[in-house]
Amino acid sequence: GQNIDQPTEMTATEGAIVQINCTYQTSGFNGLFWYQQHAGEAPTFLSYNVLDGLEEKGRFSSFLSRSKGYSYLLLKELQMKDSASYLCAYNQAGTALIFGKGTTLSVSS
Amino acid sequence: DAGVTQSPTHLIKTRGQQVTLRCSPKSGHDTVSWYQQALGQGPQFIFQYYEEEERQRGNFPDRFSGHQFPNYSSELNVNALLLGDSALYLCASSFSRSTDTQYFGPGTRLTVL
Repeated sequence: GQNIDQPTEMTATEGAIVQINCTYQTSGFNGLFWYQQHAGEAPTFLSYNVLDGLEEKGRFSSFLSRSKGYSYLLLKELQMKDSASYLCAYNQAGTALIFGKGTTLSVSS
Repeated sequence: DAGVTQSPTHLIKTRGQQVTLRCSPKSGHDTVSWYQQALGQGPQFIFQYYEEEERQRGNFPDRFSGHQFPNYSSELNVNALLLGDSALYLCASSFSRSTDTQYFGPGTRLTVL
């Protein structure tokens, strides 16, 4: 992705909490998206942060700091089905989404 | 409520050929974006269509072209295929406001031999 970075791989165990970080550098930033993508499938929308702070949605939460160019996705009570790639993306002025390369999360029992 | 649909699911072509991929947006959406996702990479923005015109374009050559129809469905055309065009092609639809969430279709897996 363009000026957007996230770790390549992470591992965790069932029931645990994992935090996936994302940093970006851009001008004309509108907001930060998180998508989940299972192997061979389309990305599915998880969250969208426009303002600084934490947004909570069930087991998933997303945080944004615009001044630091930083976001994270927090997954609680991990389940095996959470094994997937997690993509962060921002939209610039205009509407294109600029994606990171994705973080592959492996959840083991 | 039908989500975003794409056809075909898979496609195999040879170098130099041309391909057309199709996308129908989610009901109520009027904007279609196309992305290319190579294996192990995040999606890369190709272009976006709104009101039957290309509204924004990413860093892709002119071999990549598109069209949007009055019913908001869209086509992606790729000419003179290269081996490097092998990828998952994703269509995403949204409502015209710039901050609206984009919803993705299942994708078309293109293999160029």
